[in-house]
Amino acid sequence: DSGVTQTPKHLITATGQRVTLRCSPRSGDLSVYWYQQSLDQGLQFLIQYYNGEERAKGNILERFSAQQFPDLHSELNLSSLELGDSALYFCASSVSGLAKTQYFGPGTRLLVL
Amino acid sequence: TQLLEQSPQFLSIQEGENLTVYCNSSSVFSSLQWYRQEPGEGPVLLVTVVTGGEVKKLKRLTFQFGDARKDSSLHITAAQTGDTGLYLCAGETPTSTLTFGKGTMLLVSP
Repeated sequence: DSGVTQTPKHLITATGQRVTLRCSPRSGDLSVYWYQQSLDQGLQFLIQYYNGEERAKGNILERFSAQQFPDLHSELNLSSLELGDSALYFCASSVSGLAKTQYFGPGTRLLVL
Repeated sequence: TQLLEQSPQFLSIQEGENLTVYCNSSSVFSSLQWYRQEPGEGPVLLVTVVTGGEVKKLKRLTFQFGDARKDSSLHITAAQTGDTGLYLCAGETPTSTLTFGKGTMLLVSP
C-alpha cells in the first residue's frame, strides 16, 4: 500500500459524458501527478500540481482539467469523453515535487462505451 | 520529446533463469527510475539511479545506469514466479517530470 488513494476504482460511462476522478496523496506529500496508461501509448504524464498550484503539464487534452484543493487532494475532470479515453488513470504523489520520489496510487480504470 | 525504448517488450522464462532488460534513449536524464507494476495495481518504485555508471543491487536485482546517463539495464538473477510483472523505466526530464518507457512484460513460470 503506497498510501495514495484513488476513487473510484472502476468507472463505466458513455461517449460525450463527463467524469471526475479523485486522488488523495500520501500524508505530508504536497505534489500530485496524474498519468494515463493505455496499451498503445504506455504510461503518459498528464499534469502536476504542487501545493495547490499547477507546476507542469504533459500530454493533457484540452477536454481534461485538474485541480488540487487546500486539503491537497486532487481531482481530474474528463469531459466530452471519447472511446479512446478508455484507459487506466493513475495519481502519484511526492513530498517535494521531485519527480524521482513519486508513489503511485492503485488507479482508476475508465471504460467509455 | 525525450523517449525511452525498452527491450524486449515481452519475456517468458522458467524459474531459476537469469535475464536482463534494457532501457535506452538518445537523451540524457538527470536520474532514472525502475518500477514494477502488477496487474490491477499502480507502479511500485524499485530503484532510482542518479550517477553515470552507477550500479545498485536490490537482492537478486541489479540496476545499472549508463556512463552517459542515456541508458540503463536491469538484471535479475535466478528469477522467481514473484518477479512476474511489467517493468517500467522512467527518466527524469529537465522540468522534473517523468517520461516512461512502454515496459517489459516479464512472465516467470514454475
